[in-house]
Amino acid sequence: DQQVKQNSPSLSVQEGRISILNCDYTNSMFDYFLWYKKYPAEGPTFLISISSIKDKNEDGRFTVFLNKSAKHLSLHIVPSQPGDSAVYFCAASARSGGSNYKLTFGKGTLLTVNP
Amino acid sequence: DAGVIQSPRHEVTEMGQEVTLRCKPISGHNSLFWYRQTMMRGLELLIYFNNNVPIDDSGMPEDRFSAKMPNASFSTLKIQPSEPRDSAVYFCASSLKENYGYTFGSGTRLTVV
Repeated sequence: DQQVKQNSPSLSVQEGRISILNCDYTNSMFDYFLWYKKYPAEGPTFLISISSIKDKNEDGRFTVFLNKSAKHLSLHIVPSQPGDSAVYFCAASARSGGSNYKLTFGKGTLLTVNP
Repeated sequence: DAGVIQSPRHEVTEMGQEVTLRCKPISGHNSLFWYRQTMMRGLELLIYFNNNVPIDDSGMPEDRFSAKMPNASFSTLKIQPSEPRDSAVYFCASSLKENYGYTFGSGTRLTVV
């Protein structure tokens, strides 16, 4: 029972173009969402987050959009760079529900940015 | 800050043997998490501790798995006896209560043959 779904196992884009990674969730109690980036042989590292009271959060080349009615969020990377090639994990938590330490992760999307 | 430190980085063991994975969280972090990553299931939460107390162990696959946190600076995940299907990368992560971003260790790649 996957509560956080990343339906695209992989994505390939050209350097300089936009990368859009998608994530869907089923648990309506989720109110905080994060994206993590993972390089081979390393642990995931925090990239950007968004609270459910917002619909957009931007940090440099990275923007996360949240559509609560559709239970969907996306990560936009503009412009994409070869160093962005990694696995991206979407994660969610239900902070107001008391289990605010617990993150539920999707299976990840492998992004490849071609020079 | 050395980050979250996990040992060993790689472990190869024979089926039936006991395996112990170790984790040192970031000093001052009061929550610690053990995750397992596999191709089929992605990142699964096994157990998490808050202030050294286990809060949710519903993700622990079966009784062969156990985890302890004897103090704020050390945790272990033990598998006894190990089976080939336990082969995966095991991650430890820690966080501050006020900071909802986890810091992950580099993981332990376990192979059970």
